Parts: sequence; C-alpha cells; structure tokens
Amino acid sequence: TQLLEQSPQFLSIQEGENLTVYCNSSSVFSSLQWYRQEPGEGPVLLVTVVTGGEVKKLKRLTFQFGDARKDSSLHITAAQTGDTGLYLCAGEAGGTSYGKLTFGQGTILTVHP
Amino acid sequence: DAGITQSPRHKVTETGTPVTLRCHQTENHRYMYWYRQDPGHGLRLIHYSYGVKDTDKGEVSDGYSVSRSKTEDFLLTLESATSSQTSVYFCAIRGGADTQYFGPGTRLTVL
Repeated sequence: TQLLEQSPQFLSIQEGENLTVYCNSSSVFSSLQWYRQEPGEGPVLLVTVVTGGEVKKLKRLTFQFGDARKDSSLHITAAQTGDTGLYLCAGEAGGTSYGKLTFGQGTILTVHP
Repeated sequence: DAGITQSPRHKVTETGTPVTLRCHQTENHRYMYWYRQDPGHGLRLIHYSYGVKDTDKGEVSDGYSVSRSKTEDFLLTLESATSSQTSVYFCAIRGGADTQYFGPGTRLTVL
C-alpha cells in the first residue's frame, strides 16, 4: 500500500507571509496532483506534475516534484486571505493503476488579514 | 465543470438501513471512482470502475458495493449502514491523463 505523508496538517499565518506544504512518500509515483478544497465542495485540481525535478508555477503558487518522484512541495508566496482552504496532494502509481489516487491527509491553511 | 452530479447531497439514516448513493456524469468518461473523506484521513478510495460492469475494490471497500450498468451512472451501496460509515462521499471521473474531477459530495450521517 502506498502512503503519502502531508505536512503540516494545520497552518495559520498572516496575510503576506510565505508558506510551504510538503508531501512525502517512500513510494515512487508516476504523477503527483495538488488539489484545493473549499468547505462543502469537492476538491479542485490545481496542478499535476509528472517529471522528476519538475517545477510548475501558478501565479503565486509554486509546485515542485522531487527528482526521485517520491515527494512534492507547494510553496505560496505572499499569502492572501483568499488562499484559505484545504490543500491535498495525491499520487498516481501509474502502470495498471487505472488512475487510482493515494491522498495525503491534507493541510488546512488559514490566512488572517 | 466536468458535468458530475451526486445525489442525494445530504442524507440521514439509521444503523442497519440500506443506502444507495448515485453519481452521474454527462461526458462519457470511462473511469469513475468513489472516495470517502474523513478528518485527518484525506480522501480514501472505496471502489472504482474502468468500464460498464467493470469494477474493483479500493483501500476501504468493506461494507460497500458498487454497480455500473451504464457509462454515465456509478452507484455506491451500503448494504447495512453503520455509524463508522458516517462520512462525506465524493465521486470522481478521470478526465484525461493525470487529472481527476470531483463531484460536489454527499454528506451521509448514520445514527
């Protein structure tokens, strides 16, 4: 069974601060996806990283996939109150996995004005 | 919007009662999934389908069954609901390589 350890579980910061969320595993994934979820809604895909060492930027969000494809990070620069929400990482094993995802436990981010 | 709807959106039921949740998609995707979400656990895969009448178990399948008689519908059944199955249930479809789209969820409470 593949496991994804996501940290920290809770993050409370002031507007304008930077933050990083980590996702680590002992297993190799063919891709790593990051989602954001608002209360009462389903997760929404932010980005998918597929190549070891890949870095993707989405405005103030930077996503990195580890060289060995076992870990990933999400960095937010100058956080805003609108960034508040639950962030989830999810890994796909690839091959004959039929697209099944293994999720981390999630990080609840609260950005205070 | 990937055209995924779930019904019902909220349900309260009693222990021992059978419950069926429905996921409907409008875009003819082959792969569909059922997850449950509980605090501290992220989302965990219950069952998935890779085609009509083709289904398999996920990591937390005990107490659940699924059926897919049409491409657009994926049903999740709790044969005899227990309090440990109180959760939020999400359906998802695979929209393309390395992408999944989730429905709005069903909040189920088993008393």
